[in-house]
Amino acid sequence: GAGVSQSPSNKVTEKGKDVELRCDPISGHTALYWYRQSLGQGLEFLIYFQGNSAPDKSGLPSDRFSAERTGGSVSTLTIQRTQQEDSAVYLCASSLGSGSYEQYFGPGTRLTVT
Amino acid sequence: RKEVEQDPGPFNVPEGATVAFNCTYSNSASQSFFWYRQDCRKEPKLLMSVYSSGNEDGRFTAQLNRASQYISLLIRDSKLSDSATYLCVVNPAYSSYKLIFGSGTRLLVRP
Repeated sequence: GAGVSQSPSNKVTEKGKDVELRCDPISGHTALYWYRQSLGQGLEFLIYFQGNSAPDKSGLPSDRFSAERTGGSVSTLTIQRTQQEDSAVYLCASSLGSGSYEQYFGPGTRLTVT
Repeated sequence: RKEVEQDPGPFNVPEGATVAFNCTYSNSASQSFFWYRQDCRKEPKLLMSVYSSGNEDGRFTAQLNRASQYISLLIRDSKLSDSATYLCVVNPAYSSYKLIFGSGTRLLVRP
């Protein structure tokens, strides 16, 4: 079946512009995660959605970052007034549940802020 | 101190070699443990879960040592296709859903 998809695959933007990144999770997966991976670094947790519960936004690095998940499916991560330090690969993952459940990752969006 | 620490490598080994990676975690009450594999410029994929009793999947063996707070991954008879970065992943006790990823250990298998 279809895996997690993300768009765009690459995004180059100028400093100060806003960007929107999209994630389509696997159908039926209730849990959705956003991570950020900088060059040579581990995955940094950003935000977690589970069903209709309030999301855990504790990993968002600043108030320029926000995310929503509509209808319990598609999610968008928005970065306002982008900065060069926002350059990274943004990965989305979904799973049937949380914790011990396998997380399936999308291919990521490579964001470059010039 | 990082919650999950790994030797970044790279480990450069010939085909057919046996190689082992360790990973340490700081939260002694952590519940679940995993190894993920990440190929260059690709997304991470689950390699195997790590159970208290240890587990084996073909050429791959994972062990958990709770007393010393480390997990290990052993790869026997290395193949060229095993070249990748191996991520140690821990589900900490303070969260039922978060996974903490190590920075990864890079493995290069040469002909």
